[in-house]
Amino acid sequence: NAGVTQTPKFQVLKTGQSMTLQCAQDMNHNSMYWYRQDPGMGLRLIYYSASEGTTDKGEVPNGYNVSRLNKREFSLRLESAAPSQTSVYFCASSETLSKGRGDTQYFGPGTRLTVL
Amino acid sequence: QKEVEQNSGPLSVPEGAIASLNCTYSDRGSQSFFWYRQYSGKSPELIMFIYSNGDKEDGRFTAQLNKASQYVSLLIRDSQPSDSATYLCAVPGNQAGTALIFGKGTTLSVSS
Repeated sequence: NAGVTQTPKFQVLKTGQSMTLQCAQDMNHNSMYWYRQDPGMGLRLIYYSASEGTTDKGEVPNGYNVSRLNKREFSLRLESAAPSQTSVYFCASSETLSKGRGDTQYFGPGTRLTVL
Repeated sequence: QKEVEQNSGPLSVPEGAIASLNCTYSDRGSQSFFWYRQYSGKSPELIMFIYSNGDKEDGRFTAQLNKASQYVSLLIRDSQPSDSATYLCAVPGNQAGTALIFGKGTTLSVSS
């Protein structure tokens, strides 16, 4: 099993360009997440999908859109990139069995994005 | 909005010592707590999950939960240089438990 995979690993964009970050998991997990991590800021949730067909905003959703393409795939789109979106982006997935206790999240390797 | 607070460190300990990492949380109703380890340039990985009250031990790692004081600790016994990493504390952020709120992490440095 590959676990959680993300593409690309690195990306440099110019201000105003758009791009889509791809994420896929092969663990048959119901829930998937997108986080960004900035120095001194920890992990901040952008969007999550509790199950196929649903998406919800997290702490910092502005400037991003997501698509839960199917149970395996969850993509993050930047429509018009800004320098403030320079960050490391992590995708994660979890099985969602705990009914409120919280589920272990498994993280992908991350995408390092620079917006000039 | 639930909050999780951690001292950013760095926390420096010599090899073989006990490292103590602390995390405080704002929601008195929180019952589940996660500790993740993140090596520099890598993604977070779960090292401990503790639910409800009391202590939980797993090898050299012990998680201690004090609900009255709203903090959870991670103790690392016999610290090794390979334990040098950032440790992230997290709690469920919604009722369904499907999203986690992370603290900013504590950086641990173990010197040989």
